[in-house]
Amino acid sequence: DTAVSQTPKYLVTQMGNDKSIKCEQNLGHDTMYWYKQDSKKFLKIMFSYNNKELIINETVPNRFSPKSPDKAHLNLHINSLELGDSAVYFCASSQQAGPAYEQYFGPGTRLTVT
Amino acid sequence: GDSVTQMEGPVTLSEEAFLTINCTYTATGYPSLFWYVQYPGEGLQLLLKATKADDKGSNKGFEATYRKETTSFHLEKGSVQVSDSAVYFCALRRTDSSYKLIFGSGTRLLVRP
Repeated sequence: DTAVSQTPKYLVTQMGNDKSIKCEQNLGHDTMYWYKQDSKKFLKIMFSYNNKELIINETVPNRFSPKSPDKAHLNLHINSLELGDSAVYFCASSQQAGPAYEQYFGPGTRLTVT
Repeated sequence: GDSVTQMEGPVTLSEEAFLTINCTYTATGYPSLFWYVQYPGEGLQLLLKATKADDKGSNKGFEATYRKETTSFHLEKGSVQVSDSAVYFCALRRTDSSYKLIFGSGTRLLVRP
């Protein structure tokens, strides 16, 4: 059973398009995250939701909008895609937002903007 | 602000060699510290963690000790295998209300037979 799943796994699209990446966790966790991993493997948090409430919102262009319809889902919508948005996006979840709670990562979505 | 610094890679070792990947951190308060591993084409997996000073995290032969005096959390393994080839990320988790995970830039390990 997949704990944290993301769809799609690969996404190739053109500049200017709008796309969404979906994330679902079946662990019963309260907190979910989106991370961006750039071409140099550097991983940086973008957003975090706890019980459907936004708790972390890093300096990310407002073209990126997370949406959490329920605790088990956190989707990422990107408007007007740019070349620089090409990266691997990882979803993660943790039981709660506390400092010692392990984060479980999904397999990643490789976004390529042409 | 809080940050994590890892040694630059790639690190290339022969099988059964001793591994050290250095990690130092800058943080206010007393963060929790983590090592994550990313195998080719996969997501990150937690390898080990330590939540307070002098704690030692260990898993699969890997170890790291939380050293508050040197603000370090170096990863070690006595005898690496080809299957350990991956990218290793050191991370800290803040203890303020954000509880953010802050990652280092990752160190690629390549183990040759």
